[in-house]
Amino acid sequence: EADIYQTPRYLVIGTGKKITLECSQTMGHDKMYWYQQDPGMELHLIHYSYGVNSTEKGDLSSESTVSRIRTEHFPLTLESARPSHTSQYLCASSEFRTSGANVLTFGAGSRLTVL
Amino acid sequence: DQQVKQNSPSLSVQEGRISILNCDYTNSMFDYFLWYKKYPAEGPTFLISISSIKDKNEDGRFTVFLNKSAKHLSLHIVPSQPGDSAVYFCAANPHSGYALNFGKGTSLLVTP
Repeated sequence: EADIYQTPRYLVIGTGKKITLECSQTMGHDKMYWYQQDPGMELHLIHYSYGVNSTEKGDLSSESTVSRIRTEHFPLTLESARPSHTSQYLCASSEFRTSGANVLTFGAGSRLTVL
Repeated sequence: DQQVKQNSPSLSVQEGRISILNCDYTNSMFDYFLWYKKYPAEGPTFLISISSIKDKNEDGRFTVFLNKSAKHLSLHIVPSQPGDSAVYFCAANPHSGYALNFGKGTSLLVTP
């Protein structure tokens, strides 16, 4: 049972369009993340947030932007999509477990194709 | 500069045998190491973690071993089942942040 939801699951759009990938979680986690992944490659952190009104860029440079107005909602926006933005985008939230590890829970992902 | 490395892109194992997935890292400041499993068209799901101060953690069929001197960890799955066929990602949590650094993954195929 998923506690973190991403929409759309699949999106095919033309170059220059503006898109927003939605991500919502029902677990009340303060920390949320966006990763980008291409087949056979590692997940790259592109944005993260440690709470409402807090957002930071990750290790991988990205032309996308994010917002965190509500704890449960962390949307990602591309103002003008390009073919180089074609990828899978994974949203996650996290909490510390009793083991001490900060465990990320991922959504099912949004696969974006820009023609 | 990739700090978490999984050098085997794929592994094939017979059902009932042991699967061993390997991971190397370069940053000595990682506090925890985690393993995730990913099926096609789904997000990664958490499997097991290990603290940097431990050398072994076990959960059912899954055991993770950590060798700090070699900067190496491995995930053992015993016995392997066809449902274990997926991509396995090694990840590490740095001391200075909350986000995880991921390897490129190893695709495991368990054949009947």
